[in-house]
Parts: sequence; structure tokens; C-alpha cells
Amino acid sequence: EDQVTQSPEALRLQEGESSSLNCSYTVSGLRGLFWYRQDPGKGPEFLFTLYSAGEEKEKERLKATLTKKESFLHITAPKPEDSATYLCAVQAGGGSYIPTFGRGTSLIVHP
Amino acid sequence: GAVVSQHPSWVICKSGTSVKIECRSLDFQATTMFWYRQFPKQSLMLMATSNEGSKATYEQGVEKDKFLINHASLTLSTLTVTSAHPEDSSFYICSARGSSFTEQFFGPGTRLTVL
Repeated sequence: EDQVTQSPEALRLQEGESSSLNCSYTVSGLRGLFWYRQDPGKGPEFLFTLYSAGEEKEKERLKATLTKKESFLHITAPKPEDSATYLCAVQAGGGSYIPTFGRGTSLIVHP
Repeated sequence: GAVVSQHPSWVICKSGTSVKIECRSLDFQATTMFWYRQFPKQSLMLMATSNEGSKATYEQGVEKDKFLINHASLTLSTLTVTSAHPEDSSFYICSARGSSFTEQFFGPGTRLTVL
């Protein structure tokens, strides 16, 4: 059974204080690992897809990396508008292609 | 690109009535659509997966007769909550995936309140 564990559950940062969110996973043949951002009362917003170990993707202050066991979402010099819940999901190759989501990390960035 | 819409964004109904929620992929053909339910401060709970033209596959514990899902075209899926009760009050979110990409794109969600 595919499993995704995100840590920490909650993270408070000061504006400009860089940090990383972790997503540990076990899956039978990774087809893709996804990062989403979700604001309160809204649907998740797609950020990145990573396909293989060693891959990295960047978007503004966010950088996602992938190893064979985990993914990190690095946030550089965060701003208050980066406050949100960040969700990680994995999709296995073969079968139904239904992604498995983690419980998310709630990030609050204080000005 | 990859925009998914949901309608309505919020709905209030009386207990015992049925409510229909629409999910549309606006700029791509959605071969697969997913329906999720989310309780406050909790993660997404997958309710069902549907492929265009096929019957939906429901997750364990989700009542098929209560949550009717129709994926009639490559751009539209509907979720009907039949005989709604207060415990059905929740945030319902759909997502869609096209055949040419692995990621799914989410709609903005529908807040259902049953009185």
C-alpha cells in the first residue's frame, strides 16, 4: 500500500526565514510525486510534478527536490503570502493511477 | 491552462433534498475525474474516481446510492448528494486529469451546508 507522510504538521516562520517541508513516501514504482498548495476554503493549486530521483523544480521562492524515499519543498525567504497548507501526493505506476495524498503541512509566515 | 471549475461554490439546502454539484474542465479533456470531501483542518478524502463514459469507482465506506456521480463527457462530471442530511455538510472538491499528463488539477470547491 502506498504511503505518504508529511512533516512537520505545522510550521511557523518569520518573514525571510528559509526552511524545508518534508514528504516521505513508499510506493510501488513511482510514476510521479506532486506538490500542491491549498489556501483555506479553496481547492488545491498545482505546484510541481517530480518524476525521478535527483530531479529538481523551482517556482519563485519554492524549490522541490526528490530522492528515492522523500521529497523536500524548500522555501527561500518566505513572505506572508506563502502561508498555506502544502500537500504532497504520489502516484504509482500501473494499476488505477489513483494518487495518495499526505495530510499536509500548514505553513504560517509572520511579517 | 488546465483550469477546472465547480458550480455552485456554495449551497445551503434543507434536510432531505438533493443537491447537484458540477465540475468542468475548461481547457482540456478530462479522461479521469476525482471527487474529494474535506473536513475542517483535515486532508482530502477521496470519495470516488470516474472515467468518461464509465461507472464511477467508489472508495470503501462511500455510499453509492447517496453520492451519485456521472461523468457523461470529457469536460463534465456531476456529483449529486441525494436526500442530504446535516452530516453531509462538508467541502466537496473535484479534480480532473487529462490523458496527456500525470497530475490532476483541482476545482475551487463547493461548500455544502445542510440544515
